[in-house]
Amino acid sequence: GENVEQHPSTLSVQEGDSAVIKCTYSDSASNYFPWYKQELGKRPQLIIDIRSNVGEKKDQRIAVTLNKTAKHFSLHITETQPEDSAVYFCAASWAPGGGGNKLTFGTGTQLKVEL
Amino acid sequence: KAGVTQTPRYLIKTRGQQVTLSCSPISGHRSVSWYQQTPGQGLQFLFEYFSETQRNKGNFPGRFSGRQFSNSRSEMNVSTLELGDSALYLCASSLLAGGSNEQFFGPGTRLTVL
Repeated sequence: GENVEQHPSTLSVQEGDSAVIKCTYSDSASNYFPWYKQELGKRPQLIIDIRSNVGEKKDQRIAVTLNKTAKHFSLHITETQPEDSAVYFCAASWAPGGGGNKLTFGTGTQLKVEL
Repeated sequence: KAGVTQTPRYLIKTRGQQVTLSCSPISGHRSVSWYQQTPGQGLQFLFEYFSETQRNKGNFPGRFSGRQFSNSRSEMNVSTLELGDSALYLCASSLLAGGSNEQFFGPGTRLTVL
């Protein structure tokens, strides 16, 4: 099965700085890599995703890069703001023989943006 | 369009009891997946249903089961509850089954086993 490792587990940055979170995956068959943001007491919310046929995707201050050869993908947040403070999860979708959705999540990164 | 809803939001049970949790997907979504979230283990996949059929299953004991109805609503059941089953149970819906479909999460059911 798939295994996803995420680093760092905690990240503290000053407001306006950039933040980078990195993930590696084990199964080369994985083809979908979403990133979720979860604020305290709330549901995970999809913030950006990338598919295996794309190397980079950007949405305003958020970007994701994918290196299929190295099997790693990263989340980049620029010009961080206090409201970016949350736990961020990476995930990889591995479609077993029967198809379907099966997200394997990383262990999460607690991002704190300090004023 | 209404989001994914889950009921109940909070539940307290004692060891040995059983529990049923419900998830209503976004209208038109046919796939429902269930996840267990705990501080120690993070988010772990339980199972996925599509068109009333279980498509995938995670590494959980047989005490964890689920089903999906013709209107795509899904339930999961946990029998013979153990203390370690205390967790936030999240369901997520997506339009189709498949390896690269965006999943939308519900607010979760917080289960506490005493």
